[in-house]
Amino acid sequence: QVQLQESGPGLVKPSQTLSLTCTVSGGSIRSGDYYWNWIRQHPGKGLEWIGHIYYSGSPYYNPSLKSRVTISVDTSKNQFSLKLSSVTAADTAVYYCASQYSSSPGGEYFDNWGQGTLVTVSS
Amino acid sequence: EIVMTQSPATLSVSPGERATLSCRASQSVRSNLAWYQQKPGQAPRLLIYDASTRATGIPARFSGSGSGTEFTLTISSLQSEDFAVYYCQQYNTWPPYTFGQGTKLEIK
Repeated sequence: QVQLQESGPGLVKPSQTLSLTCTVSGGSIRSGDYYWNWIRQHPGKGLEWIGHIYYSGSPYYNPSLKSRVTISVDTSKNQFSLKLSSVTAADTAVYYCASQYSSSPGGEYFDNWGQGTLVTVSS
Repeated sequence: EIVMTQSPATLSVSPGERATLSCRASQSVRSNLAWYQQKPGQAPRLLIYDASTRATGIPARFSGSGSGTEFTLTISSLQSEDFAVYYCQQYNTWPPYTFGQGTKLEIK
């Protein structure tokens, strides 16, 4: 079973760029069965999909965040990454990386999740 | 964007009883729906996909039903470990993939 682990700073200053990395173990990020996702959860709130990437394809983003998000993949390190620019306090959340099973173009359900990492935006 | 609406927001049920959680989509998602369980301080865990298929290792007391715009998650006999927040998620139309706002299942 694929395991995922987020890493990155827990505190980011307003207007700066949030950067997180997800390391995949127990399987290859080059697996054709998966998309690789970032999902966030504001404190005490529900889940918001940020975007995903296929190992050999273009990323897709939530239109509400598209102008500020970049997701990339490093197959040599079995990792994928999130960058969110121009952050504000509204970006304070727990950020999860997750694998998303895909039997056809586009992903389906999120079957494996990292433990999540809290990122606080504050000066 | 497809809006997923869950009801009720909070459900109080006694251990051993049946719990029924609802999820409604703003337009048809066919059977492209998943359910997740989230406990405090933990990541969500996949329970059900394709509206009614249990994920690996999920007990048989969890069942899903529905298609189109109306879906139900049923927990047949609540165990203490089942008290948590439950989310539905559609993957029929994207981007974005969207989740419901969650139903908190609490002990009565």
